[in-house]
Amino acid sequence: SAVISQKPSRDICQRGTSLTIQCQVDSQVTMMFWYRQQPGQSLTLIATANQGSEATYESGFVIDKFPISRPNLTFSTLTVSNMSPEDSSIYLCSDNRGTYGYTFGSGTRLTVV
Amino acid sequence: KQEVTQIPAALSVPEGENLVLNCSFTDSAIYNLQWFRQDPGKGLTSLLLIQSSQREQTSGRLNASLDKSSGRSTLYIAASQPGDSATYLCAVTPSGRGYALNFGKGTSLLVTP
Repeated sequence: SAVISQKPSRDICQRGTSLTIQCQVDSQVTMMFWYRQQPGQSLTLIATANQGSEATYESGFVIDKFPISRPNLTFSTLTVSNMSPEDSSIYLCSDNRGTYGYTFGSGTRLTVV
Repeated sequence: KQEVTQIPAALSVPEGENLVLNCSFTDSAIYNLQWFRQDPGKGLTSLLLIQSSQREQTSGRLNASLDKSSGRSTLYIAASQPGDSATYLCAVTPSGRGYALNFGKGTSLLVTP
């Protein structure tokens, strides 16, 4: 089955700083997705990342706050910028393998203090 | 906009019981439906994937059904065990490849010894 390696698994960060989360996929995939899961909530899509083009952001999420890179078909990063306590969440990446469904990374648990 | 609802929000059962988790979605134009398991503070593990043309999928003690026309899916867990305790998430893919998942809020399951 597909594997996505995500790191860091958790971090505690000072407000005003930035954190970059990395996801490495074990095979080439066209599209990757980034989600946020706030405490006690379900997953909310942040953006869709295609290789070679700018990410497409959902309503309520902006590139300045959540810049995304997708340099090749097996790798993507999400940066959470100028963090505040409200950014404390689990952040997850996933890919789309068509008829094989979606695979998720193990998540990054972010706490902003 | 696709809305996904999961009932019940929480469930506590004694070990050995068979149980059913429910998922409903408002737009029947889906590509597939996927059930996930999430342990506290962790990422998502895919349990079962049902394509829109399928009626059900089985894996071990798990069975998932799909009635696309009525916008419903159920996840049946046979002979529950304490290790089944987790949050179970239902997610649908809108028709058309490459689109992100729409998640329900999940059912939090506790199986007591």
